[in-house]
Amino acid sequence: GAVVSQHPSRVICKSGTSVKIECRSLDFQATTMFWYRQFPKQSLMLMATSNEGSKATYEQGVEKDKFLINHASLTLSTLTVTSAHPEDSSFYICSARKTGARTDTQYFGPGTRLTVL
Amino acid sequence: SQQGEEDPQALSIQEGENATMNCSYKTSINNLQWYRQNSGRGLVHLILIRSNEREKHSGRLRVTLDTSKKSSSLLITASRAADTASYFCATDAGLLGGGADGLTFGKGTHLIIQP
Repeated sequence: GAVVSQHPSRVICKSGTSVKIECRSLDFQATTMFWYRQFPKQSLMLMATSNEGSKATYEQGVEKDKFLINHASLTLSTLTVTSAHPEDSSFYICSARKTGARTDTQYFGPGTRLTVL
Repeated sequence: SQQGEEDPQALSIQEGENATMNCSYKTSINNLQWYRQNSGRGLVHLILIRSNEREKHSGRLRVTLDTSKKSSSLLITASRAADTASYFCATDAGLLGGGADGLTFGKGTHLIIQP
């Protein structure tokens, strides 16, 4: 199989603090991982593409200094929401693409629900 | 970036009936995928159809793709209460669409199956 995990599954934090979300590919290597955000009753929006060993590519309108992405290994990408505010409250979902696989193969994590008070 | 559109936005049918959802998109694609999401949960991959395919089946699911009209449909036959969820189409355009390497999701259809 191809399993992607996220940690934590749910986090509540105070405004102004930073929160780190981990995305791990458990049984495969992933050169590329993606981060999506989903607001309540809305669709998923791609935030950024995370490439192992290089800088992430951010979508238009996503602040790279606010959403720090680190992809230090072939099985782990992290998203850090810095100085979180209530408007950052959302469901964050990552996906991972198997290294060497067809480009249409992505595996999604279960998501992390962030609530900023 | 392109944004898919599903219709209807919400659909309520009786158990046992068929449910049809449609998706339209704007740019050329490599493939189109359908996902299911139960309330507040992660995504479940249902089916992928490539740009050179016109129809694909998986169990009670049937997906069609019309690249000339830039549209796709998802048919769920003999619906069950457990099919109640939100359904999203997602396109993978990659370099073809000049856009992101990730998936572009439609707005989704919320399907309710009444027992």
